[in-house]
Amino acid sequence: ETGVTQTPRHLVMGMTNKKSLKCEQHLGHNAMYWYKQSAKKPLELMFVYNFKEQTENNSVPSRFSPECPNSSHLFLHLHTLQPEDSALYLCASSPEGLAATYEQYFGPGTRLTVT
Amino acid sequence: GQNIDQPTEMTATEGAIVQINCTYQTSGFNGLFWYQQHAGEAPTFLSYNVLDGLEEKGRFSSFLSRSKGYSYLLLKELQMKDSASYLCAVGGNYQLIWGAGTKLIIKP
Repeated sequence: ETGVTQTPRHLVMGMTNKKSLKCEQHLGHNAMYWYKQSAKKPLELMFVYNFKEQTENNSVPSRFSPECPNSSHLFLHLHTLQPEDSALYLCASSPEGLAATYEQYFGPGTRLTVT
Repeated sequence: GQNIDQPTEMTATEGAIVQINCTYQTSGFNGLFWYQQHAGEAPTFLSYNVLDGLEEKGRFSSFLSRSKGYSYLLLKELQMKDSASYLCAVGGNYQLIWGAGTKLIIKP
């Protein structure tokens, strides 16, 4: 596989469920990102990991919990979500994440629906 | 505050030229990016401008004026496959600041 992959591509979950989103990058990058994309809104940065260390948490509710075991893998653990959390969740990577001067490579996203 | 403005939607004809504008007000500037996103797909990188002027890459060109806080993406010889959303993003101090995107509709 090449580039950035995400699984699952689609997820429907109830408000009491627990699920995880997975992202893997095959580009040798050192920074990984989680974004939320809602219709007609700008991409919302949720979390940034740089060399496996979390460097940004943009006031994301605790029902979203990220995990970065190594520079190639990123997870987003979900629990007790709300219907307004339904959105496209995009993972991205870049060579490094301390300065916003590198292009980011995106995965295809997970379309999440919370019922 | 930080703000990026771009039109919500534009329509153009196949074979024509279209210019998508982006204005920004951000604290810190580390360059301006344009991404293309087809419906249901990931955003893909198109261009990066950090100095004033025009960067040309095939049918696509991007312009930047830092003093005016302004950029545009110019698409020439439009093809049906150019129907997509075009996202403007500014490199802030530590992260990218994104616009909401411009949906470009191409008509035959």
